[in-house]
Amino acid sequence: EPEVTQTPSHQVTQMGQEVILRCVPISNHLYFYWYRQILGQKVEFLVSFYNNEISEKSEIFDDQFSVERPDGSNFTLKIRSTKLEDSAMYFCASSAVADTYGYTFGSGTRLTVV
Amino acid sequence: GNSVTQMEGPVTLSEEAFLTINCTYTATGYPSLFWYVQYPGEGLQLLLKATKADDKGSNKGFEATYRKETTSFHLEKGSVQVSDSAVYFCALSDRGGATNKLIFGTGTLLAVQP
Repeated sequence: EPEVTQTPSHQVTQMGQEVILRCVPISNHLYFYWYRQILGQKVEFLVSFYNNEISEKSEIFDDQFSVERPDGSNFTLKIRSTKLEDSAMYFCASSAVADTYGYTFGSGTRLTVV
Repeated sequence: GNSVTQMEGPVTLSEEAFLTINCTYTATGYPSLFWYVQYPGEGLQLLLKATKADDKGSNKGFEATYRKETTSFHLEKGSVQVSDSAVYFCALSDRGGATNKLIFGTGTLLAVQP
C-alpha cells in the first residue's frame, strides 16, 4: 500500500538553528499538508499546498515557517530559527483530491529544540 | 470556531472488555466526522468516518454514529484486543477556509491488557 514517508523520525536541534523536515508524498497525490502535535495537545493544521503554492495556512504558520516542493517528489517544511515551543511531532499528509477523506499521513518527525 | 473534545486517557482495559471513547464537537454547518488511530511508531490511519447525521461508520469491529442532536461521535467496540492498543483521535472536516482541513481532538491512549 502506498505510504507517505517522513525523515528523519527524530531530530534534535539547538534553539535558533534552521531545520528542514522532509516528506515524500504518495506519487499521484496533488495536495500536501503539514500538521503538528505538541506533546499532550491537539494535532493542529499548519499549511496546505497545491499546484506549487500555499493554499491555506494557520496562524501558527508565521514567517519562520516555509514549505517547498523542490523536485516534484519531496515536500519540505523549513523552520528558519527554531524556538523551544517548536518542539512537537510534525505530520505530513497528502491526498489525491481536495477532500479530507483521502488523506494519507506519514509517521511523523519528532522535533526537539534544546 | 470549530473544535473537537474527546475524553482524556489513558483508558486501560482488559482484553474482551467493551470500549467507549467519547467525542463531542462544535461546528457550524455539517462537517464530516472521523476517527483516526495511531499505533506505536506509525502514522495516523483513518479508522472510520461518517459524513452526515445518523450515519454509522464502522471498521475492524469499531463503530461510531454521527449524532447531530448531541453533537457527538463516540467510538465503541464490543470486545477489545491487545492489538487495539493505540492512540485514538477524533476529528472533523473544516470546510471554512480554502482547503478542507482536519480539526483534531487531543487523542486518547488506549492500553489493552491480556
